[in-house]
Amino acid sequence: AQSVTQLGSHVSVSEGALFLLRCNYSSSVPPYLFWYVQYPNQGLQLLLKYTSAATLVKGINGFEAEFKKSETSFHLTKPSAHMSDAAEYFCAVSDRAGSARQLTFGSGTQLTVLP
Amino acid sequence: SAVISQKPSRDICQRGTSLTIQCQVDSQVTMMFWYRQQPGQSLTLIATANQGSEATYESGFVIDKFPISRPNLTFSTLTVSNMSPEDSSIYLCSVSVTGSNEQFFGPGTRLTVL
Repeated sequence: AQSVTQLGSHVSVSEGALFLLRCNYSSSVPPYLFWYVQYPNQGLQLLLKYTSAATLVKGINGFEAEFKKSETSFHLTKPSAHMSDAAEYFCAVSDRAGSARQLTFGSGTQLTVLP
Repeated sequence: SAVISQKPSRDICQRGTSLTIQCQVDSQVTMMFWYRQQPGQSLTLIATANQGSEATYESGFVIDKFPISRPNLTFSTLTVSNMSPEDSSIYLCSVSVTGSNEQFFGPGTRLTVL
């Protein structure tokens, strides 16, 4: 069984500031971890993924996430927020031994970027 | 990656009617999935669409309510039957390729049931 917890359903950040979105997972086996972004009225876009290589993962548009096994976390960060980053962000976990069907999503974090 | 299109992009329907949503992928993929995203909620997997056989439904979802077809490796449909306002959601199609745990998502279909 696996699950994902995203702390903070809403996060606000000032334009140009660093922000961090939290994700903690629970998995009985080594996981794959993903961050997706959903812009208004659109589908989900993959930002980055952890699949057991480097623990610090770099994604598109300056996003990064660090896999910390001891903390069972995979928090998403970006050093400088842009207005275009305003969106909903979903963390997801997959059982490495299973198929893509085993993808489990967190409840999402809505990011607001303040001018 | 894969490019996924869905039709319609949105619709407003009357209670008791049915709507069929189409999902088209630009390449042959191994797995196709249908998700529901209720207002303000995360994604919930409805079913895995299997080519040439019955879909695999998740707990809480049944074929009579959400019949699914997948006639080939690039196309699938989801029907929302006998709709009620509680079916108002975004319905998303996603795909995965062989050996990958990664899913690519379509733009979604925004359904409102009056």
